[in-house]
Amino acid sequence: AQSVTQLGSHVSVSEGALVLLRCNYSSSVPPYLFWYVQYPNQGLQLLLKYTSAATLVKGINGFEAEFKKSETSFHLTKPSAHMSDAAEYFCAVTQNFGNEKLTFGTGTRLTIIP
Amino acid sequence: DAGVTQSPTHLIKTRGQHVTLRCSPISGHKSVSWYQQVLGQGPQFIFQYYEKEERGRGNFPDRFSARQFPNYSSELNVNALLLGDSALYLCASILVGGGDGYTFGSGTRLTVV
Repeated sequence: AQSVTQLGSHVSVSEGALVLLRCNYSSSVPPYLFWYVQYPNQGLQLLLKYTSAATLVKGINGFEAEFKKSETSFHLTKPSAHMSDAAEYFCAVTQNFGNEKLTFGTGTRLTIIP
Repeated sequence: DAGVTQSPTHLIKTRGQHVTLRCSPISGHKSVSWYQQVLGQGPQFIFQYYEKEERGRGNFPDRFSARQFPNYSSELNVNALLLGDSALYLCASILVGGGDGYTFGSGTRLTVV
């Protein structure tokens, strides 16, 4: 079985401050991990994915995430928040890339304070 | 390149009615999956299809069914609608083993009244 836990349903940061969104996973086999962003009334847009190559993954819009097996974590970071980053963020895991379902976390709503 | 197309974008149905949602995947993608996203929650897996065969089914009642056509487009059908079926239904176009893997459409917002 696989699962992800996103700590913090709501996170607020000031514009220009560091963004840190937390994701911990559980998987019986080496996982594939994803971060998606969802703007209001829209679908999911892929930010980045981990597919067992480099442990530090760089994505779009200045986001990156680091896979830490020892901590079973895949936290999302961005050095400097922009107002346009305000959205809902979802971490997801699968055990078989493309051949199996994605299991999503409950999401983190990111608010940017001007 | 066209992305993942879902139709309709919004619809309102009455309890007990039936609904059909449609999804056209990215050209070259042979697999699609469906997810239900209730307001304030993460998406929940409903079905996955590959080459017209069901590859996986989530924990949803038999009122939910789906199929995939020879052109790889897909339909999700829900019978005997309940208020609790109100949600955003997302379709993912899947490139098995490569690329971004799972590319989502903008979804269909279903409201059951």
